[in-house]
Amino acid sequence: EVQLVESGGGLVQPGGSLRLSCAASGFTFSSYEMNWVRQAPGKGLEWVSYISSGGSTIYYADSVKGRFTISRDNAKNSLYLQMNSLRVEDTAVYYCAAPGDSWYSFDYWGQGTLVTVSS
Amino acid sequence: QSALTQPASVSGSPGQSITISCTGTSSDVGGYNYVSWYQQHPGRAPKLMIYDVSKRPSGVSNRFSGSKSGNTASLTISGLQAEDEADYYCSSYTSSSTWVFGGGTKLTVL
Repeated sequence: EVQLVESGGGLVQPGGSLRLSCAASGFTFSSYEMNWVRQAPGKGLEWVSYISSGGSTIYYADSVKGRFTISRDNAKNSLYLQMNSLRVEDTAVYYCAAPGDSWYSFDYWGQGTLVTVSS
Repeated sequence: QSALTQPASVSGSPGQSITISCTGTSSDVGGYNYVSWYQQHPGRAPKLMIYDVSKRPSGVSNRFSGSKSGNTASLTISGLQAEDEADYYCSSYTSSSTWVFGGGTKLTVL
């Protein structure tokens, strides 16, 4: 069974940093592209970032480009999101998501981790 | 990276059919057959219902179907059931090698 478990969320002041982790199990993590998707409280879903299976190809949403860094450690079956220069508008539940039948959809989701940016 | 356009809400009675639209541009919905649909119940993670415009993942009821015409994709739910009440989001791959979601549609089963 595919499992994705996010961690690392919490309360941080504007301008601060936070590192999210996503532990994967139940599938061959090193063969799968991965994504981060976020959802602000009471709002819709927003795609954040993508990383290829080997980590060589990375994309970001314009809203986080230059501030967030996605990475992965295939030996540890883990995905990361380093978030710097955090803003109030980055407050959201952050989900890691993996494809399944199609490389272009998000078949598997974690339970999410809440990041709150507030002074 | 503008969000795809969905109606804020739709409603229907049990047994009826409803359709949710998702409008984008030729750079996303119209340019690729990579539209997917997600169901989200309050406090839960999203669940994939349709991928690649019209394909259903294993385990998803055949009451859910997807289609696309030009820059607009649609999700149809037939034989509406109380458990279908949830938020629904469309998503599309884009020409920038990114993904974009719709604003979401709240489905109410009357």
